[in-house]
Amino acid sequence: GAVVSQHPSRVICKSGTSVKIECRSLDFQATTMFWYRQFPKQSLMLMATSNEGSKATYEQGVEKDKFLINHASLTLSTLTVTSAHPEDSSFYICSASSPFNEQFFGPGTRLTVL
Amino acid sequence: RKEVEQDPGPFNVPEGATVAFNCTYSNSASQSFFWYRQDCRKEPKLLMSVYSSGNEDGRFTAQLNRASQYISLLIRDSKLSDSATYLCVVNKILTGGGNKLTFGTGTQLKVEL
Repeated sequence: GAVVSQHPSRVICKSGTSVKIECRSLDFQATTMFWYRQFPKQSLMLMATSNEGSKATYEQGVEKDKFLINHASLTLSTLTVTSAHPEDSSFYICSASSPFNEQFFGPGTRLTVL
Repeated sequence: RKEVEQDPGPFNVPEGATVAFNCTYSNSASQSFFWYRQDCRKEPKLLMSVYSSGNEDGRFTAQLNRASQYISLLIRDSKLSDSATYLCVVNKILTGGGNKLTFGTGTQLKVEL
């Protein structure tokens, strides 16, 4: 299957700092990428849909000013968690949509905010 | 009501057992259906798609009942390596293009010696 990478795989930061997570599709161009968040023992929850060259579409309840998404190229989308707080600690997973609408997931980024 | 509902388990079964997972979905406009597997602290990985006619992949059989909005997964001859969380996933094609996956909370399976 296609490969999607995420960086970093794990980050620990202090409360109030901003954290940027990168998602790359390595062997196909993805006009659409998705950002999910998963809290322990819960399902993946879609946060936003990232569209190349346009603004992201956020799910209800997700603050767009707190979770900044940039999809500047067909192979890269970034999620920046601004002014992170302990309640933002979670597993963040991106996926990239192939030209055939199949979603391939990145390995995830585990964020811990102290 | 959640869009996709699953029994969270855990299901503890002996090696070699047959185990079945069920899932219901609420949105009748859902168009395609999948089972994903997620290992602890890892990303979900596609296990198989689910079709109304039923489909089989080795020891795994998936079934969809659109009328009842019900999806199932059967695992025969369970292996220790089958221990994971199994996610029921429903896909909807969005107006204007693109698609959206909705995940169930997952059913945890533990296969024991």
